[in-house]
Amino acid sequence: NAGVTQTPKFRILKIGQSMTLQCTQDMNHNYMYWYRQDPGMGLKLIYYSVGAGITDKGEVPNGYNVSRSTTEDFPLRLELAAPSQTSVYFCASSRRTSSYNEQFFGPGTRLTVL
Amino acid sequence: DAKTTQPPSMDCAEGRAANLPCNHSTISGNEYVYWYRQIHSQGPQYIIHGLKNNETNEMASLIITEDRKSSTLILPHATLRDTAVYYCIVRVLSNYGGSQGNLIFGKGTKLSVKP
Repeated sequence: NAGVTQTPKFRILKIGQSMTLQCTQDMNHNYMYWYRQDPGMGLKLIYYSVGAGITDKGEVPNGYNVSRSTTEDFPLRLELAAPSQTSVYFCASSRRTSSYNEQFFGPGTRLTVL
Repeated sequence: DAKTTQPPSMDCAEGRAANLPCNHSTISGNEYVYWYRQIHSQGPQYIIHGLKNNETNEMASLIITEDRKSSTLILPHATLRDTAVYYCIVRVLSNYGGSQGNLIFGKGTKLSVKP
């Protein structure tokens, strides 16, 4: 299993541009999450999904959109990039029936908005 | 906001036990204590979790005080590869998802293991 994969690894955007961060998991997990991590800080939850077709906002959803059309994929969309969105973005997934709901994280996407 | 308090940094000699403390004085009866770590530039990795009893797995031991207001993560024989930021998180155990089961990360403790 590849686990949780994210693309791209790095990206530089200009203010106002848009992009989609891709996340795929091959563990058949129902739950998927998007976090952002600013320098020296902990992770903050952007959006999460409990299954295909179901998404919900986390702590910091403004400026982002998500969709979940399949179990495997959970893309994160930035429509109008702003410097405040410069961060490292982590995708994670977890099982539905796990007794402890351990989250598995991807390697991250480092985004810079100039 | 995170419901836990951790020291910002700690040092440990290679081969010695690393004891990482965490205060969670407002923990509720249905909240578990979870530990994750984040090695530089990587995604966080689950370590261990517990409710009341002490727990041990192949990575670490978790000691929870009887009043559950604090806990200690123990890495019995720290190696250089254990250098990371360690996050202590309290959350409701949820098999059904929803916001109550989400992880809330604080700033964690940066553990530096030195040769």
